[in-house]
Amino acid sequence: DAGVIQSPRHEVTEMGQEVTLRCKPISGHDYLFWYRQTMMRGLELLIYFNNNVPIDDSGMPEDRFSAKMPNASFSTLKIQPSEPRDSAVYFCASSLSQGATEKLFFGSGTQLSVL
Amino acid sequence: AQKVTQAQTEISVVEKEDVTLDCVYETRDTTYYLFWYKQPPSGELVFLIRRNSFDEQNEISGRYSWNFQKSTSSFNFTITASQVVDSAVYFCALSELRYGQNFVFGPGTRLSVLP
Repeated sequence: DAGVIQSPRHEVTEMGQEVTLRCKPISGHDYLFWYRQTMMRGLELLIYFNNNVPIDDSGMPEDRFSAKMPNASFSTLKIQPSEPRDSAVYFCASSLSQGATEKLFFGSGTQLSVL
Repeated sequence: AQKVTQAQTEISVVEKEDVTLDCVYETRDTTYYLFWYKQPPSGELVFLIRRNSFDEQNEISGRYSWNFQKSTSSFNFTITASQVVDSAVYFCALSELRYGQNFVFGPGTRLSVLP
C-alpha cells in the first residue's frame, strides 16, 4: 500500500512567487494534516482536514498561506507571495478516524527554499 | 496548555551502548496519548509507539523499550545495544483528546550512534 505522497520533494523559488505543495493521503484515511518543520520552531501544525473539510487552520501563519482539499485523495498548500522566512520542510500526514489519537502517517516532506 | 519537553538536544553514543531519550510532558487533560516518532536522515517521520494515559505498562519491542510514568509525567525511550541505523532525530508527541486533533511535538533529540 502506498504511503502519503508529497510533491515536489524540493522546491526552490524566488521571493514573491507562488508556491504550491501537493499531497495525496493514504486511501481510506479521514484526516489530513499539514505541518511545517523549522530549526527554530520545530514541528508546527498548520491546518488539518476531516473528510475534506478544514477543521482548524489556527496554525496557518498568515493570509499568504491557504490550503484546500477538493477530494479525499488530494490536498494542496499554497503560499502566495512566498517570503524567505517561509523556507522550511512541509510535511503532509494522514490518519484514520479519531485523528490525532491515532498514529499519523507522514509523507517524505517538501523542502522549500525561498531566495 | 500542552507542552512536551525533550531536554536532550543531541546525544552521541558508541555502537552497542544503551541510550535513553527523555520526554516530559504537561497536560491538564486526564485522557491523552503519547507518541514517539523517528526521523531518519531521509527526512520522513516514522511512527514508533502510541500510549494512552490509562495504560502505564511499559512496553518492549526488540531493542526498543518505553517507560511511561504518570507520577513524573515522563515517557522515556530506551534503545538497547544501539546500532548505527538508530541514528536519527527522535520526537516525543502529546495529543489531548479534549482539545481536538492537535499533536504537540517536542523539539526532538538528535541521536548519533558512532561505529
